[in-house]
Amino acid sequence: SAVISQKPSRDICQRGTSLTIQCQVDSQVTMMFWYRQQPGQSLTLIATANQGSEATYESGFVIDKFPISRPNLTFSTLTVSNMSPEDSSIYLCSVRTGGNQPQHFGDGTRLSIL
Amino acid sequence: AQRVTQPEKLLSVFKGAPVELKCNYSYSGSPELFWYVQYSRQRLQLLLRHISRESIKGFTADLNKGETSFHLKKPFAQEEDSAMYYCALRGNTDKLIFGTGTRLQVFP
Repeated sequence: SAVISQKPSRDICQRGTSLTIQCQVDSQVTMMFWYRQQPGQSLTLIATANQGSEATYESGFVIDKFPISRPNLTFSTLTVSNMSPEDSSIYLCSVRTGGNQPQHFGDGTRLSIL
Repeated sequence: AQRVTQPEKLLSVFKGAPVELKCNYSYSGSPELFWYVQYSRQRLQLLLRHISRESIKGFTADLNKGETSFHLKKPFAQEEDSAMYYCALRGNTDKLIFGTGTRLQVFP
């Protein structure tokens, strides 16, 4: 399966600031996704990162809060904007290499907001 | 609505005992079901998917459409099976719906 590198692995941020998380894949993939895992909870899809166009957001998530870029088939970024303590979560990138393949996940970014 | 239910937050067994982690789903069409596992300090990784019909690390899962279930089973648990297990569903889109997860503890 594809090797997924996610940076940073963790960060502690001040409220009101923004952080950009990067996801790099070692091969071209058709689909890239961003998930959030809040403390003690399951994974929730934030959005699907579309190459060359705007991301597709799930209900409850908006572009102004979670802008996403996907400039090519191997790279995507998620920005968490104007952070508050409620944004303290693990953010995960996942990819599908194509066809009927399953999703594979990065290591995640553990984000804490003070 | 699409939903995945894992009724047990924690399942504790002794080494060598059988294990069954329950997963029920709600979906009107023909879903694809997955089990993902997260060992301590490791990334979430795919354990198995129903269309593969294979056994991974001794685990199996059969999709029961009548009961809308996809329970994960292993006849003899090992200590190294201790981890967090997530059941997930993919419907007619690429979106994965996850259950809340079950933590399996296998005692020596």
